[in-house]
Amino acid sequence: QSALTQPASVSGSPGQSITISCTGTSSNVGSYNLVSWYQQHPGKAPKVMIYEVSKRPSGVSNRFTGSKSGSTASLTISGLQAEDEADYYCCSYGGSNTLVFGGGTKLTVL
Amino acid sequence: QVQLQESGPGLVKPSETLSLTCTVSGGSISTYFWNWIRQPPGKGLEWIGYIYYTGSTNFNPSLKSRVTISVDTSKNQFSLKLSSVSAADTAVYYCVRDTRGGSDILTGHFDYWGQGALVTVSS
Repeated sequence: QSALTQPASVSGSPGQSITISCTGTSSNVGSYNLVSWYQQHPGKAPKVMIYEVSKRPSGVSNRFTGSKSGSTASLTISGLQAEDEADYYCCSYGGSNTLVFGGGTKLTVL
Repeated sequence: QVQLQESGPGLVKPSETLSLTCTVSGGSISTYFWNWIRQPPGKGLEWIGYIYYTGSTNFNPSLKSRVTISVDTSKNQFSLKLSSVSAADTAVYYCVRDTRGGSDILTGHFDYWGQGALVTVSS
């Protein structure tokens, strides 16, 4: 199974909004509403920000929203803050009880 | 509060078998899917596989021939073995809980992570 495709990097200024895309295929993102997003700060374990495409765990800011269209999922962060600077990974169910991650996107807050 | 802790050798020789154990505290290992995920230095996340407390497993097809995951419910632990390792297997290995979401399939919703264990493959 191939990794999901994410942009290597995105950037934005404080207060702005950014969107990170996650492109898969009809075998994963396109067929299941089981896409999650993870935030990882350097030296730390990843933290779930979005699950099942658009659901936010308790305690995650509503500045983080997830969506999906066809085989592409997206994570939008509004009102960018310095603390949002991190690596972001998408993850999708791949059928037959397998999972696949995206390659990761480095978010820089300018 | 559920906590996961990886343990095992931090250095493994090429061609040997990498072995790690994850101890789950603050909750039962029954229910949920228990996963191993790894991250090579400076690179992205890779799902290795999962086990259910019944012993049911599945693995990343790219690693399937070399991976074994087992569970010991009496100790609230699950373990990873990766055989015939090479330098490409050098990574931080995380043990992780998948919530299942009340279903019988992986959801990719990982709510609890271990702190990660760096395993270096080198002679």
